[in-house]
Parts: sequence; structure tokens; C-alpha cells
Amino acid sequence: VQLQESGPGLVEPSGTLSLTCSVSGDSIAGSSSWWNWVRQAPGKGLEWIGEIHHSGTTHYNWSLKSRVIISVDKSKNHFSLKVMSVTDADTAFYYCARKGYIPFGDAFDIWGQGTLINVSS
Amino acid sequence: SELTQDPAVSVALGQTVNITCQGDSLRNHYVDWYQQRAGQAPLFLVYGNNVRPSGIPDRISGSRSGNTASLTITGAQAEDEADYYCKSRDKSGDQLVFGGGTKLTVL
Repeated sequence: VQLQESGPGLVEPSGTLSLTCSVSGDSIAGSSSWWNWVRQAPGKGLEWIGEIHHSGTTHYNWSLKSRVIISVDKSKNHFSLKVMSVTDADTAFYYCARKGYIPFGDAFDIWGQGTLINVSS
Repeated sequence: SELTQDPAVSVALGQTVNITCQGDSLRNHYVDWYQQRAGQAPLFLVYGNNVRPSGIPDRISGSRSGNTASLTITGAQAEDEADYYCKSRDKSGDQLVFGGGTKLTVL
């Protein structure tokens, strides 16, 4: 199973950050897993952003909920992240990850390689 | 963060080190551990407090007692030098949370 993030490396302040995570080796539609986004500001720790199930059910980090949308496209076997009204504080490496693969419970067993998003004019 | 980790820990080559993670939510929720080497994505080491997935060497182990979880590395090697993160849920159970991370230096 592999996950691969894609998206523009640069986003202007007050704009919208959009990323996609392509899944290979597993089927989002056929899986009981949850599909997650995690970010890491340069030199800082990991921050959970949110997750989506193939049913469309989502959970978000309360601190980001007002600006974040996670969606899924089962036909393309990928899921996406949008972060609106971005500022410098949103500059980070963004990772996608799989959670809930039996028997791993809440653990993130597969991670993408990550992509750096810079918020700058 | 609701999960507290020591920012930095060091260990001599070949010795044993414990990396801890404290938080009230750990009394009711499982903890996982991740290793992140410089410039790489995190790697899943332990789930369910103390279970290693296949491929993780048995010199790495996890445990939990009360509100404290521990990751133990026995016979530390140079390749163990990395940042280590615990992950669990917050007290409400609704949110996934990471500890602040511990930077392990192998001397």
C-alpha cells in the first residue's frame, strides 16, 4: 500500500491550500480504514488535521475545523484536503496517512512521503 | 498538547533508553508510537500500547502504566537517532492528539 500527496508547493496568504492523496494497493471504497491528514511545521511536531471514511463521515481537529474540508473521490481512489484563509502558520509538511486497518486500531500504519507547502506572496 | 513528552533524551550506544509520554487520556485510550528520522515521514513502531507490527525489531517495546506510556529501546544503535512521537486521543475521545515529540541522540 502506498500513499502519495500532490499539490502546489506555494500558496498565497489568504488563499486556499488544496492537496490530494492518491492511494494505491488499497481501495478506499472497499476499506474500513479512515484516511487522514497530518501536518508538521518546519522544526516542529506533528499535528492531526482530520480524517474521512469512504462513507463520507469526517472528523476534524477542533482548532482547524472552521477552515478545513476533507473530501473523498472513490472513483479515483483518492482523498483531498482544503485549508482556507491560509497564513504563514499553515506553512508545513503535509502528510496523508491510513488509520484503522485491522488490527492496528487508531494507529497510522501507512504514511505518504509528505509534501512541503509554503504560504508566501 | 494533552500528551507530554521530554523534548530531548540521550543514550550511549548499546544502552537502554525509555521515552515517556504522559497524559490523563492514556488511562482510557491506547497509545501508538512513531519514529521520524531527519527528512523522512514518520514510521509506525508500536500500537495498542505495547504491540509491535511485523518488521519492527524486538529491541523496541511499548508499555503503559496509569497515565504514562513508555517506549523502550534496548541496545540503542546509531540508526535509532530520530524524533519519537506518541499518539492517542484527547480526554473527550473525539480528537486524535500527538505528543510534542522527543529527540533521541545516540552518543
